[in-house]
Amino acid sequence: DQQVKQNSPSLSVQEGRISILNCDYTNSMFDYFLWYKKYPAEGPTFLISISSIKDKNEDGRFTVFLNKSAKHLSLHIVPSQPGDSAVYFCAARSHSGGGADGLTFGKGTHLIIQP
Amino acid sequence: DADVTQTPRNRITKTGKRIMLECSQTKGHDRMYWYRQDPGLGLRLIYYSFDVKDINKGEISDGYSVSRQAQAKFSLSLESAIPNQTALYFCATSPGQYIPQHFGDGTRLSIL
Repeated sequence: DQQVKQNSPSLSVQEGRISILNCDYTNSMFDYFLWYKKYPAEGPTFLISISSIKDKNEDGRFTVFLNKSAKHLSLHIVPSQPGDSAVYFCAARSHSGGGADGLTFGKGTHLIIQP
Repeated sequence: DADVTQTPRNRITKTGKRIMLECSQTKGHDRMYWYRQDPGLGLRLIYYSFDVKDINKGEISDGYSVSRQAQAKFSLSLESAIPNQTALYFCATSPGQYIPQHFGDGTRLSIL
């Protein structure tokens, strides 16, 4: 049963426009959320994160929004650039007890920026 | 220089063979992780380690074992490889629990 869901396998956006990537989660124990970007033949690269005590975090062109009541987060990229073409993974960490660690990942969304 | 180095980058082997994937880091992080990625899926946690004496199973540890030889080194072993362990394997490190993990570039493992 998937606890982190990215329902759009791919997304195509025109250069200069806004890219919005969505992520839903089911585990109410998640308290820290991250977005990673991945190019082919490379490992995931951290992009931006948000704690569950916040509803927005911004870093340059990237903004993450968290709606806890809806168990939904989104990544906004404005303006979109050709170098943003990559697979984006949503990930979450649980604050469950017992010292558990590690991230739970969604399946990823392939973002394609069209010139 | 890469902060998290995985070796080998690619490996093709046969069913039943013992395989070791190695990960070393220069970041000085205490926490290290092994993940697996299958086509069209997200990464799944195999094992993680808080320090040399603390090893923990993740979501999909069956068929795998690990060794934390030093703070900087964390190895993943497949004792008797089977074809459904064909995947991309990633090592990651982190200095703490609410700090983003930093990933290596992965090992592509194919088991025939």
